[in-house]
Amino acid sequence: ETGVTQTPRHLVMGMTNKKSLKCEQHLGHNAMYWYKQSAKKPLELMFVYNFKEQTENNSVPSRFSPECPNSSHLFLHLHTLQPEDSALYLCASSQMGTSGRAGADTQYFGPGTRLTVL
Amino acid sequence: GEDVEQSLFLSVREGDSSVINCTYTDSSSTYLYWYKQEPGAGLQLLTYIFSNMDMKQDQRLTVLLNKKDKHLSLRIADTQTGDSAIYFCAEYGRGSYIPTFGRGTSLIVHP
Repeated sequence: ETGVTQTPRHLVMGMTNKKSLKCEQHLGHNAMYWYKQSAKKPLELMFVYNFKEQTENNSVPSRFSPECPNSSHLFLHLHTLQPEDSALYLCASSQMGTSGRAGADTQYFGPGTRLTVL
Repeated sequence: GEDVEQSLFLSVREGDSSVINCTYTDSSSTYLYWYKQEPGAGLQLLTYIFSNMDMKQDQRLTVLLNKKDKHLSLRIADTQTGDSAIYFCAEYGRGSYIPTFGRGTSLIVHP
């Protein structure tokens, strides 16, 4: 595997279910990100992890719970979601902290998980 | 907060050039990026430009940066149907490790 991978690619869940999204990066990066992409809305940054420590949480509801066990893996645990949470969830990674070099903080994205909440 | 603005749609004929425009408000922007998103896929990095450059060319892609007007453009020469996608502009402010993305421009290429 190369780049950033995400599983599953598609997920349909009921409002009472519990599920998890998985992201893995094979780029040796030290930072990972979760974004939410909804139709007709800008890309929304949800969480940032830098060296496994969460550094950003953009007022995301507690029904979304991230986990970063190491710098290569990132999870998003989902429970009691709402229909408005249906979206494409994108994971990204970057090599953070070296922005003195051109493009060093460049984010590389996975293919996303298309989530539908019924 | 800082804003990045893009027009939502652009339609071009196959073989013509496409120009996708982006404006931003952060005068301390250091890097500016273009990403491409095909249907059902994530964002793919196309190219980036550092703020001390005016132009960058990479095969069919030409990026122009006007810092005075805070205007960035992406020109695609000889546009093909495979170029149909959403194109996102993104910028990093000085000292920031989180980019600000535009809403994306949907490029439609018709025969």
